[in-house]
Amino acid sequence: GAGVSQTPSNKVTEKGKYVELRCDPISGHTALYWYRQSLGQGPEFLIYFQGTGAADDSGLPNDRFFAVRPEGSVSTLKIQRTERGDSAVYLCASSKGQARETDTQYFGPGTRLTVL
Amino acid sequence: GQSLEQPSEVTAVEGAIVQINCTYQTSGFYGLSWYQQHDGGAPTFLSYNGLDGLEETGRFSSFLSRSDSYGYLLLQELQMKDSASYFCAVRDGGWGKLQFGAGTQVVVTP
Repeated sequence: GAGVSQTPSNKVTEKGKYVELRCDPISGHTALYWYRQSLGQGPEFLIYFQGTGAADDSGLPNDRFFAVRPEGSVSTLKIQRTERGDSAVYLCASSKGQARETDTQYFGPGTRLTVL
Repeated sequence: GQSLEQPSEVTAVEGAIVQINCTYQTSGFYGLSWYQQHDGGAPTFLSYNGLDGLEETGRFSSFLSRSDSYGYLLLQELQMKDSASYFCAVRDGGWGKLQFGAGTQVVVTP
């Protein structure tokens, strides 16, 4: 089936604005993850959902960042009062079920966020 | 602190063998994974080691030594399409949360 999709692919915004980034996981994958990746670095964990609930949100940098997954499928990452330091590629990944299956994560192409 | 160390860049010719080392220092350890990422693309899962030893998947193999906090990815019979960044990642706690290294850029030359 289709892979993980993310929209938009690119987002340019001004400092202080609010943005929403969307992720559509692989059908049937109950686990969903958000990472962000800066140039020349590896993905940095933000949050992990198991179903509708956030199982681990320890990577969210501050309270300007929030993510939801209301129906256990599509997820939205929301960033309030954006700052220039938020500029990065935001990656979404999904995986089957729980436990060992979460070690194999399938990534989407990412949303490149640029804050001017 | 917690860290994963891997070389920043490796260059090799087509047909050669490349080994990318990864050493880790984490509060816990539940497995080492490897991902490939082409420029502008999504990371793609390559392999996972939960126990010591060698895992082989086609031209790629991955090794883990938990006592040495060390693993490597071996790329054999290099092809031009293998030019990409390769990341090691550790699950150091609960399910789902991966900690990635900074990546190794592999450059394959003709």
